[in-house]
Amino acid sequence: DSGVTQTPKHLITATGQRVTLRCSPRSGDLSVYWYQQSLDQGLQFLIQYYNGEERAKGNILERFSAQQFPDLHSELNLSSLELGDSALYFCASSVDPTNEKLFFGSGTQLSVL
Amino acid sequence: GQQLNQSPQSMFIQEGEDVSMNCTSSSIFNTWLWYKQDPGEGPVLLIALYKAGELTSNGRLTAQFGITRKDSFLNISASIPSDVGIYFCAGLPNAGNNRKLIWGLGTSLAVNP
Repeated sequence: DSGVTQTPKHLITATGQRVTLRCSPRSGDLSVYWYQQSLDQGLQFLIQYYNGEERAKGNILERFSAQQFPDLHSELNLSSLELGDSALYFCASSVDPTNEKLFFGSGTQLSVL
Repeated sequence: GQQLNQSPQSMFIQEGEDVSMNCTSSSIFNTWLWYKQDPGEGPVLLIALYKAGELTSNGRLTAQFGITRKDSFLNISASIPSDVGIYFCAGLPNAGNNRKLIWGLGTSLAVNP
């Protein structure tokens, strides 16, 4: 158990809908990362937060947004969903934003039908 | 975005065999990490490397930071069925203030008991 908690584990929705994925980092970790994993693209970095502030941005679509709350949990919002958004979404955390040792949650499997 | 070249893409071996996989980049990295992802789970950090030429072991796993700083290698000795999974390399580039981990596409390992 990495200590990173992600909910829900599975999510099935329809195109055009909006969903929210939730992540609680390891106790003591201030930095949260969101990754998307699909079969042909590997692990794609989406966005990083540190202590409530956006720290780095990767290949995150404009339809996607995220935030980190004062209690350090984070949410990833995916809107106007398309079939191609179906993927495994991982949250990871680290002690600080410069620490490359990431601890991953078990992921949320999103299926857009 | 930038990705690491990880090879082989997949391997199917007999239990007891040794395994080698590698990761290469066109640019210099100052940190190399190896993760393993079990089916249905998030990646778990296996080994972290910080110095060119560094050789680090974790049980039957041994990883090396290439002398050129553009590659890294992971070896698994005497493989067992629980070694099955996807092995990812990740590296931290040498340059830039907002450095982000760069990921390989993974090596999928299957072990025949």
